[in-house]
Amino acid sequence: NAGVTQTPKFRVLKTGQSMTLLCAQDMNHEYMYWYRQDPGMGLRLIHYSVGEGTTAKGEVPDGYNVSRLKKQNFLLGLESAAPSQTSVYFCASSTWGELFFGSGTQLSVL
Amino acid sequence: EDQVTQSPEALRLQEGESSSLNCSYTVSGLRGLFWYRQDPGKGPEFLFTLYSAGEEKEKERLKATLTKKESFLHITAPKPEDSATYLCAVQKGAGNNRKLIWGLGTSLAVNP
Repeated sequence: NAGVTQTPKFRVLKTGQSMTLLCAQDMNHEYMYWYRQDPGMGLRLIHYSVGEGTTAKGEVPDGYNVSRLKKQNFLLGLESAAPSQTSVYFCASSTWGELFFGSGTQLSVL
Repeated sequence: EDQVTQSPEALRLQEGESSSLNCSYTVSGLRGLFWYRQDPGKGPEFLFTLYSAGEEKEKERLKATLTKKESFLHITAPKPEDSATYLCAVQKGAGNNRKLIWGLGTSLAVNP
């Protein structure tokens, strides 16, 4: 039972480069989320989705875009990476209750 | 302003030394309070959900309680494997309007 799978686990980018983080869940959950976690800041919601084909902004959406073309997948894109986007990124999914998290992507932007 | 505050920030215990972690909140219209455990390099792992004041839930050495202003995570006779960061989150709203407000966590270290 895979649960929530994130790829890649680690990535180093140069300022201005772009990349896509992939999240896949096999629990048939409607809701999916992208968070970033930084020391002293806790978990902050970037974007979320309440169902296939929907996306919405969270607390810190600037510099990120998302897509949910299939119910099981939620993609997070960085069009032009900045050092301020150095962070650990977590994807999560849920029904109406608790969130299930992936193992995270550690991203460094130089 | 909705806020969730966890204390202490860090706690070091000896194996077998019981203690409690606190999660205080100022959130209007609480719909649930969640406790998670996070190990280094991993995503948060769900522990408990509490919905109303007076509710208690237990799992092995952990017991979570809820009042109208705060929640406690009691750890009885902890073991080194209980070392982790414990996160608290409060939910307001429901369905598509659900919002989670997260605390910064308590880092627990249990020495053998």
